[in-house]
Amino acid sequence: EPEVTQTPSHQVTQMGQEVILRCVPISNHLYFYWYRQILGQKVEFLVSFYNNEISEKSEIFDDQFSVERPDGSNFTLKIRSTKLEDSAMYFCASRTGLQGNEQFFGPGTRLTVL
Amino acid sequence: QQQVKQSPQSLIVQKGGISIINCAYENTAFDYFPWYQQFPGKGPALLIAIRPDVSEKKEGRFTISFNKSAKQFSLHIMDSQPGDSATYFCATLGSASKIIFGSGTRLSIRP
Repeated sequence: EPEVTQTPSHQVTQMGQEVILRCVPISNHLYFYWYRQILGQKVEFLVSFYNNEISEKSEIFDDQFSVERPDGSNFTLKIRSTKLEDSAMYFCASRTGLQGNEQFFGPGTRLTVL
Repeated sequence: QQQVKQSPQSLIVQKGGISIINCAYENTAFDYFPWYQQFPGKGPALLIAIRPDVSEKKEGRFTISFNKSAKQFSLHIMDSQPGDSATYFCATLGSASKIIFGSGTRLSIRP
């Protein structure tokens, strides 16, 4: 069964460093999303992406964040200068857009900023 | 208006019992109400969803009850099993189909 994959599973970085989180959405999906979940809290929307551009972004998604689909398979989230409060689980999700609303989530990347 | 309020925060149920989780929303424009199940170390997975044109949807042991006038919906898990122990999120769909999650309920089923 097709699934969304994410790498790495765990990323540890120093405050101020750049990180890139990678996702491979399901191959025939057209809409892509990033969410984050701070430990013990709810899952929060960061950004949606369609047709090679951002559809919508939340207040969390400030100038330190960017997304890219550099080729036909990968979807990346970059944080330019990480802060302690960026420590969280980051989930990628995708959906077909052709029928239904179901988004399929990846297993997440745990980002720890020291 | 973009929030979904969920309760309880945590729930302990005996094996074989009924687990009930409640949610309330404010924006009457919402028209899709999914429930997500999340196991530790995994991403959320769609469990069951309902649209406001029906008052109930059942899939196996899982039932969503929907009260449009009260702007509330709930998840019922019948004959709860230890394998149902997980965190459950109610949700709705916002603009650009972003998922707006509730705060989550940590469900523990005691054997």
